[in-house]
Amino acid sequence: SAVISQKPSRDICQRGTSLTIQCQVDSQVTMMFWYRQQPGQSLTLIATANQGSEATYESGFVIDKFPISRPNLTFSTLTVSNLSPEDSSIYLCSVFRDGHTEAFFGQGTRLTVV
Amino acid sequence: RKEVEQDPGPFNVPEGATVAFNCTYSNSASQSFFWYRQDCRKEPKLLMSVYSSGNEDGRFTAQLNRASQYISLLIRDSKLSDSATYLCVVNPGGSNYKLTFGKGTLLTVNP
Repeated sequence: SAVISQKPSRDICQRGTSLTIQCQVDSQVTMMFWYRQQPGQSLTLIATANQGSEATYESGFVIDKFPISRPNLTFSTLTVSNLSPEDSSIYLCSVFRDGHTEAFFGQGTRLTVV
Repeated sequence: RKEVEQDPGPFNVPEGATVAFNCTYSNSASQSFFWYRQDCRKEPKLLMSVYSSGNEDGRFTAQLNRASQYISLLIRDSKLSDSATYLCVVNPGGSNYKLTFGKGTLLTVNP
């Protein structure tokens, strides 16, 4: 399995502000993924974070709202910008070990926007 | 048709019961299949991969029927600790690592 450290585990933010979530992996991985899990829902992919290139966003998610950095093969950040109460969710990072097809997840960040 | 569709649940069963979850997927080209377990307020964790030949891990048995695009998970002799949400997950494979998640089925095992 992969060891993934995700921070913060939770935060309460004022609307209009931003939150940056960090994800650190214990080994180099090619792709990292960011998911959102809204209350009572399953996981929805926000974007794929590629090292050395821009992230690839899924339909309904845009870079201005969810900027992503991937400075190296073990680290990524997701920023949720201009927060509104609708952004209250759990955000999770995920990786595949190269050559494997099962995904491993960070512990998640529970965001509440007030 | 949803990409991955699961029993809506919730399932409430007594300890020791056998419970089965079903899942269907729409992309016939999908290559990898998994059951994940998600405890309340925790991240999903891999329970088991699902193979065409079927596979068993202790009290858990997973089956895949590619012709019917159907995946199942059987839990025998349920324990209180099995209470969780079970997510059916499909990986289209190849260079595309975009997992598709079912909405999950909540299982509560009662004493």
